[in-house]
Amino acid sequence: SAVISQKPSRDICQRGTSLTIQCQVDSQVTMMFWYRQQPGQSLTLIATANQGSEATYESGFVIDKFPISRPNLTFSTLTVSNMSPEDSSIYLCSVVSANNEQFFGPGTRLTVL
Amino acid sequence: SQKIEQNSEALNIQEGKTATLTCNYTNYSPAYLQWYRQDPGRGPVFLLLIRENEKEKRKERLKVTFDTTLKQSLFHITASQPADSATYLCAPGGTMGGTASKLTFGTGTRLQVTL
Repeated sequence: SAVISQKPSRDICQRGTSLTIQCQVDSQVTMMFWYRQQPGQSLTLIATANQGSEATYESGFVIDKFPISRPNLTFSTLTVSNMSPEDSSIYLCSVVSANNEQFFGPGTRLTVL
Repeated sequence: SQKIEQNSEALNIQEGKTATLTCNYTNYSPAYLQWYRQDPGRGPVFLLLIRENEKEKRKERLKVTFDTTLKQSLFHITASQPADSATYLCAPGGTMGGTASKLTFGTGTRLQVTL
């Protein structure tokens, strides 16, 4: 399975600021996703991070709020823009193996004050 | 819309017993289904993937079944241990016409194994 790291592991931010989360994989992967897990909830897919093109966002998520970069097959960033307390969540990146098994990073715990 | 249902109530069992968790789905025809373990504050850890043409899959003390007629998957942990205490998530995926790898997650079932 792929080894996935995320930075930062946690952060406390002020309302109105932005935070960029990094996801690094130890091997080249085609499919990479970003999820959000709000307190007490299950995982919700934010977007598919596409290498070399714009990310594909799920209903309810927009590029202006969650810009995503995917410069190569091992790295992606998710920015949470103009944050409010409602953005307090765990943000997770995931990658898919050749046989469709999906592996997750350790997550970034974000608290917005 | 697609709906994934897992028992929201915690499952409490005694060490050594078999834990059985249920995942039901509606308005969905997944090509496969994945099970994950999640500990508080951490990302989900992949456990097993079972495909629509597989009735059962095993890995050490874990067993998963997949009934596409009932639209249900069962997840069993035999000889359970306190270290198995965690939340377990099911996630069907691979729907026709959609992104092949997109998963839809259930809300998870909290398992508590006591001595």
